[in-house]
Amino acid sequence: KNQVEQSPQSLIILEGKNCTLQCNYTVSPFSNLRWYKQDTGRGPVSLTIMTFSENTKSNGRYTATLDADTKQSSLHITASQLSDSASYICVVSARVNSGYALNFGKGTSLLVTP
Amino acid sequence: GAVVSQHPSRVICKSGTSVKIECRSLDFQATTMFWYRQFPKQSLMLMATSNEGSKATYEQGVEKDKFLINHASLTLSTLTVTSAHPEDSSFYICSAPAGTYGYTFGSGTRLTVV
Repeated sequence: KNQVEQSPQSLIILEGKNCTLQCNYTVSPFSNLRWYKQDTGRGPVSLTIMTFSENTKSNGRYTATLDADTKQSSLHITASQLSDSASYICVVSARVNSGYALNFGKGTSLLVTP
Repeated sequence: GAVVSQHPSRVICKSGTSVKIECRSLDFQATTMFWYRQFPKQSLMLMATSNEGSKATYEQGVEKDKFLINHASLTLSTLTVTSAHPEDSSFYICSAPAGTYGYTFGSGTRLTVV
């Protein structure tokens, strides 16, 4: 069964600090992995997308890593800001006959405090 | 970039009434639209996949007569929650494939049935 597990479930950090969110998956056949930021009451917004051959990808203060061998990904946030408070969702795409199937993690709820 | 506009963002309706949610692709043609439901602190759950000009495909356990999906044009897909009940209260999000691997999400609709 395809699964995406994220940790921690929630996290509180001080403004300016760094943090790392984890995503472990058992999705096959793997196509790509995305990290999304979802503000409360809003739709997810894409941060990064990585295919099998990519190990790291950055988007401003967000850096995602992917280890396709161990099926693990991380999202590192540098110099956190209050506006980073949101849910971060890991989505792993699997190839299926009709195209692609998205497998969603439950997300990590991040709170950045002053 | 590809944008999906979703309306309304919030709706409160009385039990037994119907509510229509619209998703429009603004700068691209969406032949496929995915409809998700998200409960608090849970991941997005795929409800159905709509395809322009054909019947929608519903996930197991989703009542097609209750959640009517119409995808009459390449830029508009609608989800109608019929005879809504309080247990239908949730956050509904649409998403369309955009680009090689990308998916763009609508901003979501918070439905509250009273």
